[in-house]
Amino acid sequence: DAMVIQNPRYQVTQFGKPVTLSCSQTLNHNVMYWYQQKSSQAPKLLFHYYDKDFNNEADTPDNFQSRRPNTSFCFLDIRSPGLGDAAMYLCATSRKAWTSGRLDEQFFGPGTRLTVL
Amino acid sequence: DQQVKQNSPSLSVQEGRISILNCDYTNSMFDYFLWYKKYPAEGPTFLISISSIKDKNEDGRFTVFLNKSAKHLSLHIVPSQPGDSAVYFCAAIPMNRDDKIIFGKGTRLHILP
Repeated sequence: DAMVIQNPRYQVTQFGKPVTLSCSQTLNHNVMYWYQQKSSQAPKLLFHYYDKDFNNEADTPDNFQSRRPNTSFCFLDIRSPGLGDAAMYLCATSRKAWTSGRLDEQFFGPGTRLTVL
Repeated sequence: DQQVKQNSPSLSVQEGRISILNCDYTNSMFDYFLWYKKYPAEGPTFLISISSIKDKNEDGRFTVFLNKSAKHLSLHIVPSQPGDSAVYFCAAIPMNRDDKIIFGKGTRLHILP
């Protein structure tokens, strides 16, 4: 089945220790997103890629970086995690039509829950 | 500034009855609306959507109603089942197609036996 896969599902890191979360998709979607979600809050968009074009949200801290080496994979790097970065990180994909620009619904991965000690 | 609002953090409904989840939006540029369902420790899954050219879309037990003049949409689940207990997110896509989907904070639905 086509899907969005996130690894690991649970990640524990120490304060200040870099961590990388990964996402892969078999849907061949041209748009990939990273969201941060804390409990009882809406998913907060950090950044997204439209193909290779990187789009950073204005309020995303510099501590968060992303890489998309190819269509299938996207990585979230947290350079120096703080206690406030403990959250669920969701990867999502979508298809944007070339001609109409219409954006289809997003498909989410299961998320990676990050704990910062 | 919250553009998509779900004012009820939680809702409890008896099994077999109708569940109605509400969502309000402020941006008149939104022209496509979606509902997502999320179980604990899982990512949101797409449930149903509606285009602004329609006022109703139905898929099995799930119906979404859109009232553009009131900038309001609702999700009806009938009959409610235990497996419907989850958090439901309302989301919207603007006409300018800037690749973003704007989410509400979610409503936790509890289906009571």
